Amino acid sequence: QKEVEQNSGPLSVPEGAIASLNCTYSDRVSQSFFWYRQYSGKSPELIMSIYSNGDKEDGRFTAQLNKASQYVSLLIRDSQPSDSATYLCAVNVEDTDKLIFGTGTRLQVFP
Amino acid sequence: GAVVSQHPSWVICKSGTSVKIECRSLDFQATTMFWYRQFPKQSLMLMATSNEGSKATYEQGVEKDKFLINHASLTLSTLTVTSAHPEDSSFYICSARPGVREKLFFGSGTQLSVL
Repeated sequence: QKEVEQNSGPLSVPEGAIASLNCTYSDRVSQSFFWYRQYSGKSPELIMSIYSNGDKEDGRFTAQLNKASQYVSLLIRDSQPSDSATYLCAVNVEDTDKLIFGTGTRLQVFP
Repeated sequence: GAVVSQHPSWVICKSGTSVKIECRSLDFQATTMFWYRQFPKQSLMLMATSNEGSKATYEQGVEKDKFLINHASLTLSTLTVTSAHPEDSSFYICSARPGVREKLFFGSGTQLSVL
């Protein structure tokens, strides 16, 4: 069974701060990595996707990937209370369309 | 962006009855759809991969005779929970992607409560 691990949190940060979310995965040949945001009782929505080593920025979000360390992270700059949600890391399974999700990190941004 | 429609959004049923959940890709064709289940405060667990025109592929530990999947067209997959029991109460979410390595889009989910 492929594993994707995340700290369940909650991660509490003040409004305006940088939130850093981390994820490790065990499938060394995974090629596609995704961050989803999920509000309580709702389905996940895609925040970022990243496929190659390094950083990828989109607005206030930056995804970082290090395949050698099997590590992917998400940085949220200028955190807002509306960013409070559970963030799910997802990794593709080798040679398939399937995504395996981590348990998610609950982020709380307080005013 | 691509839209995946799922309904019903919630359903309450008696133990022993069957419940059907529909998942539609509205603006793209999906030869493959995925069904996930999520218990409270847990992550999404992949149940099965639905393949248009052929049998679904179930993940280890998922009973294929209990969770019937039908993918009769390129835009519709259904999940039927047969003889539902309280332990089947969960949030069921379908997903699909327009192509390999494309973004995975999720339906809005179905909250199933079995009394």
